[in-house]
Amino acid sequence: GAGVSQSPRYKVTKRGQDVTLRCDPISSHATLYWYQQALGQGPEFLTYFNYEAQPDKSGLPSDRFSAERPEGSISTLTIQRTEQRDSAMYRCASSLDSVSYEQYFGPGTRLTVT
Amino acid sequence: SQQGEEDPQALSIQEGENATMNCSYKTSINNLQWYRQNSGRGLVHLILIRSNEREKHSGRLRVTLDTSKKSSSLLITASRAADTASYFCATTWGAQKLVFGQGTRLTINP
Repeated sequence: GAGVSQSPRYKVTKRGQDVTLRCDPISSHATLYWYQQALGQGPEFLTYFNYEAQPDKSGLPSDRFSAERPEGSISTLTIQRTEQRDSAMYRCASSLDSVSYEQYFGPGTRLTVT
Repeated sequence: SQQGEEDPQALSIQEGENATMNCSYKTSINNLQWYRQNSGRGLVHLILIRSNEREKHSGRLRVTLDTSKKSSSLLITASRAADTASYFCATTWGAQKLVFGQGTRLTINP
């Protein structure tokens, strides 16, 4: 596609519910990243994929967070049993490959847990 | 946790003036990048400087890097209203993940 897209753009959920966020990277890009951005802060790394492999998930805050990219293109980030502290902007980015430094970011999903 | 700090946290200048933002980081790096984030929109890559480079230019942007001081600066010359945004530095080392600073909120007043 023309750019990285994410859906939904906004999500409000009640504490304890599960949510799944979606990222559709640029079609030619092998590498996909997930970041979490709190209000007024810079993004913080969660995990990344090279095609369907997930070499680094060190940034996932807890085992409630998981990500998939089963066919090496679209990725989902799932948060189980959401907590209020999970409220943040979740940003997806893609790059041509794992040695290309420039990342292209999507518009983000604003998650609010009430 | 954030890699470093940006200074100032907020900057307000008149249109046409130059804006300078600074970034400090904590660990060794492969490169340092600057990104811009407009309100309600995604981050846009502006410029990348490698660890063996000291200065780089792109249009109205000038970036410097001092690895001995673990610091970088971004200069935007002849600022425009459209430059109003948050600016983030981000570093990489080894793995490709970006480690961002906390950002500088730049406001250009007409």
